[in-house]
Amino acid sequence: DAGITQSPRHKVTETGTPVTLRCHQTENHRYMYWYRQDPGHGLRLIHYSYGVKDTDKGEVSDGYSVSRSKTEDFLLTLESATSSQTSVYFCAIRLLYNSPLHFGNGTRLTVT
Amino acid sequence: GESVGLHLPTLSVQEGDNSIINCAYSNSASDYFIWYKQESGKGPQFIIDIRSNMDKRQGQRVTVLLNKTVKHLSLQIAATQPGDSAVYFCAGSGANSKLTFGKGITLSVRP
Repeated sequence: DAGITQSPRHKVTETGTPVTLRCHQTENHRYMYWYRQDPGHGLRLIHYSYGVKDTDKGEVSDGYSVSRSKTEDFLLTLESATSSQTSVYFCAIRLLYNSPLHFGNGTRLTVT
Repeated sequence: GESVGLHLPTLSVQEGDNSIINCAYSNSASDYFIWYKQESGKGPQFIIDIRSNMDKRQGQRVTVLLNKTVKHLSLQIAATQPGDSAVYFCAGSGANSKLTFGKGITLSVRP
């Protein structure tokens, strides 16, 4: 698991509620990413971070925000969850700019 | 934009045979490619990568081939085992280093 812990592993929430997913790494890697995985779409980038307090949007960032106040933690927040955000969310870390991503085991989120 | 895709959604092979999984990409500026394996309930696991200055790279039982002329890469798994059953993804990136992932192909190994 490359020293990546995602929590919670499973979450069921109601439409309109806020949700925060946490990614914690022990590798001290600079780069961190949030992806969602849906059938027929593959992995899509939501947000990413180059370092503490340095984040940027990915291709599917609408409805999501992130924060990174410490190197080891990268939080993904759904301000007001919608059913379209039902998905499996993966956090990934990267040591160098052009090197492999290493993924956590994911959070399965269901919005009812 | 770049798209990365796998040619077939499923592949079934006999245990002990070699497996070949193919992937095409659209962006000729792509210079870095990765293959991932994903088992049920787990995150994608890095298998092997290759940069555009190489045509071939070998790992343990796996080989990645890159053909930049036709924008195609393949993953070859030697002596396929039941533990190789999983979904396999290719991913590629260009100058911005943002990876684009293919949708995945399911490899099924017959005993």
